[in-house]
Amino acid sequence: EDQVTQSPEALRLQEGESSSLNCSYTVSGLRGLFWYRQDPGKGPEFLFTLYSAGEEKEKERLKATLTKKESFLHITAPKPEDSATYLCAVRPLGNAGGTSYGKLTFGQGTILTVHP
Amino acid sequence: DAMVIQNPRYQVTQFGKPVTLSCSQTLNHNVMYWYQQKSSQAPKLLFHYYDKDFNNEADTPDNFQSRRPNTSFCFLDIRSPGLGDAAMYLCATSLDRAETQYFGPGTRLLVL
Repeated sequence: EDQVTQSPEALRLQEGESSSLNCSYTVSGLRGLFWYRQDPGKGPEFLFTLYSAGEEKEKERLKATLTKKESFLHITAPKPEDSATYLCAVRPLGNAGGTSYGKLTFGQGTILTVHP
Repeated sequence: DAMVIQNPRYQVTQFGKPVTLSCSQTLNHNVMYWYQQKSSQAPKLLFHYYDKDFNNEADTPDNFQSRRPNTSFCFLDIRSPGLGDAAMYLCATSLDRAETQYFGPGTRLLVL
């Protein structure tokens, strides 16, 4: 069974204090790993897709990396507006004819709070 | 801008009173999903439509139904809401099942 574990559950940072969020996964072949940002009371906002080990993607203060067992979301010099829950999800390789093809398995998320 | 729209944003219903949540999209995506997300939990997939083909998750209660009358619209019907159905309901779309899913803003459902 596919599993995604995110750590820490919550992270409190001071503005400008860089850190990383972890997403560990177990999947029978990875088609893609996704990072989303979710603000309170809103739907998840797509950030990145990573497809293969060694791949990196960047957007403003965020950088996502991928290994064969985990992904990291690095936040450089965070600002209070970066405060949100960050969700990781994996999509396994699968049979294109199967009903579960393309299904995402989400982690529980990391709640990030950045204090001014 | 192309987007996923959910209405209403907040819905209050009474125990056992049927309720319908709406999702529309201007992305012209083939796949539409419904997720349930309870507080501090991961989104849980209820079902999805791949074009007109309906795919129900095995553990989705029979109380939950869905309709997709055309490419742009999808509805979530809860036939007899219970207190445990209070949650955020998220609609998502993707161009194809192996493509990135884009989420709407969600509908917060409260059951009294």
